[in-house]
Amino acid sequence: ELKVEQNPLFLSMQEGKNYTIYCNYSTTSDRLYWYRQDPGKSLESLFVLLSNGAVKQEGRLMASLDTKARLSTLHITAAVHDLSATYFCAAEYGNKLVFGAGTILRVKS
Amino acid sequence: SAVISQKPSRDICQRGTSLTIQCQVDSQVTMMFWYRQQPGQSLTLIATANQGSEATYESGFVIDKFPISRPNLTFSTLTVSNMSPEDSSIYLCSVDMVALGDTQYFGPGTRLTVL
Repeated sequence: ELKVEQNPLFLSMQEGKNYTIYCNYSTTSDRLYWYRQDPGKSLESLFVLLSNGAVKQEGRLMASLDTKARLSTLHITAAVHDLSATYFCAAEYGNKLVFGAGTILRVKS
Repeated sequence: SAVISQKPSRDICQRGTSLTIQCQVDSQVTMMFWYRQQPGQSLTLIATANQGSEATYESGFVIDKFPISRPNLTFSTLTVSNMSPEDSSIYLCSVDMVALGDTQYFGPGTRLTVL
């Protein structure tokens, strides 16, 4: 059974600093997804990582995938207030997504 | 990309009643999924809905409680039957566009409160 562990569950960040969210999954996965959820909103797709060594970047966010370690990271560079949200990773197996618990991210000025 | 709409966006229901949630997609998709997000929690897959076949339910979810219809490639419904307060959650549908080099998209969700 595929299980996904995400940490930290809560991240209080200072503006301008760098942080990383970690996502471990227990068995082979087809793809790794990162989503953002704002309060009261649905999920916004950030990244889909398909293969070992994949790295994708969008603005201040960069996601990477190490399939051998079964680890994905979401790196935040120079945090800004607009990044405050809940971030989920999800591992896919057979088109089904198994989600991590989510990381609540708060950026303080 | 895919644009997904859900109806209703929210509802408050009485214990013992049923609610049907609709999910409409702006393009034809093979696979649609229904997820539940309990308050303050992550998302859990309820079932996979493929057109022309019975829905496939995940462990802990049964057809009598969550009947699903998939009459065509752009539409699906999820019914939450005989509701109890424990069913209060956000219910989201999603579609798989990965075969097109895209991602899995989620609808806006239906926020259900059971009194």
